Amino acid sequence: SQQGEEDPQALSIQEGENATMNCSYKTSINNLQWYRQNSGRGLVHLILIRSNEREKHSGRLRVTLDTSKKSSSLLITASRAADTASYFCATGRTPLVFGKGTRLSVIA
Amino acid sequence: NAGVTQTPKFQVLKTGQSMTLQCAQDMNHEYMSWYRQDPGMGLRLIHYSVGAGITDQGEVPNGYNVSRSTTEDFPLRLLSAAPSQTSVYFCASSSSGGRGGTDTQYFGPGTRLTVL
Repeated sequence: SQQGEEDPQALSIQEGENATMNCSYKTSINNLQWYRQNSGRGLVHLILIRSNEREKHSGRLRVTLDTSKKSSSLLITASRAADTASYFCATGRTPLVFGKGTRLSVIA
Repeated sequence: NAGVTQTPKFQVLKTGQSMTLQCAQDMNHEYMSWYRQDPGMGLRLIHYSVGAGITDQGEVPNGYNVSRSTTEDFPLRLLSAAPSQTSVYFCASSSSGGRGGTDTQYFGPGTRLTVL
């Protein structure tokens, strides 16, 4: 498995704004996943995008994948205070390897 | 389904004590993993298993033992606890999914361990 690196490390926005976080990786992939972790809890799977997909939506989440740049972005639209959490990307097969994540704070 | 369960939720140990962190899943998943999470370090893989009777080391295996006698259970043993093992421990499971499997991991709620 390989490790994704999330950027920025921390992000603070106002409620209603959009939040964008990025993930970079180093080798070719079959798919890329995004996870959310609320404070003190286990990670929860948000969305998976396959290598032959460029964009995927799930509710207020939009994920893009650029395999030529080996990068992905996660966009949360119209953010809410409840979106405050850490977000992680992961690539490859089990066991997944996670980076340090992006800590998102949404201020009401 | 209960998903992935972990016990205990909290534990305080003294240096040199041993204990076992329990992890169980009821989804018939082949793969199970143990991670530790320290502030600012993200999740680091300790040990993992691809099926009953098969285990392998992750990034930080020293000081920990695992075994996988059944599909459901994957206990993590601390043989002689050290303050450096103070952390939050997460267990996760996933299905291989066969060809084109997604490998989505399901996490337990975590065990917060303090070693004095």
